Amino acid sequence: EPEVTQTPSHQVTQMGQEVILRCVPISNHLYFYWYRQILGQKVEFLVSFYNNEISEKSEIFDDQFSVERPDGSNFTLKIRSTKLEDSAMYFCASSDGTGEYNEQFFGPGTRLTVL
Amino acid sequence: SQKIEQNSEALNIQEGKTATLTCNYTNYSPAYLQWYRQDPGRGPVFLLLIRENEKEKRKERLKVTFDTTLKQSLFHITASQPADSATYLCALVKSGYSTLTFGKGTMLLVSP
Repeated sequence: EPEVTQTPSHQVTQMGQEVILRCVPISNHLYFYWYRQILGQKVEFLVSFYNNEISEKSEIFDDQFSVERPDGSNFTLKIRSTKLEDSAMYFCASSDGTGEYNEQFFGPGTRLTVL
Repeated sequence: SQKIEQNSEALNIQEGKTATLTCNYTNYSPAYLQWYRQDPGRGPVFLLLIRENEKEKRKERLKVTFDTTLKQSLFHITASQPADSATYLCALVKSGYSTLTFGKGTMLLVSP
């Protein structure tokens, strides 16, 4: 069964460093998302991406964040200058945007630890 | 402000019983509501979706109800099993959008 994959599973970085989180969505999906979950908190929406551009973003997704689909398979989230409060689990999700359910398929997540 | 509230305390039930989880929302007009399951350290997994004009949806041992007047959804798992132990997340979607706004989730523990 096709699934969303994410790398790395765990990333440790120093405050102020740049990190890139990588995702490979399901191949025929057209909508891509990033969410984050701070430990013990709810899953929060960051950004959605469709047709090679951002379709929606939350207040969390400020100038420190950017997304890119550099080729036909990868979808990346870049954090330019990490802060301690960026420590969280980051989930990539994708959907095909059609069908009755329009469900989103989530990857296993990347745990980001900022020291 | 918009709020989505789920039982903050864990729900403990015995195997074979029906688990009922609640999702309440305020200052929100969702087009539809989804329920996801999340296991520790894993991403959410989609379970069921119910639209604003639907009252009830079923899928195997799962049932979801949606009352837009009460602004509440109930999620039922019948004949619960220890393997059903997980955190269950309620997520709302506004009309015209596809992004999910999640509640904090309710942890369900099913003991044998």
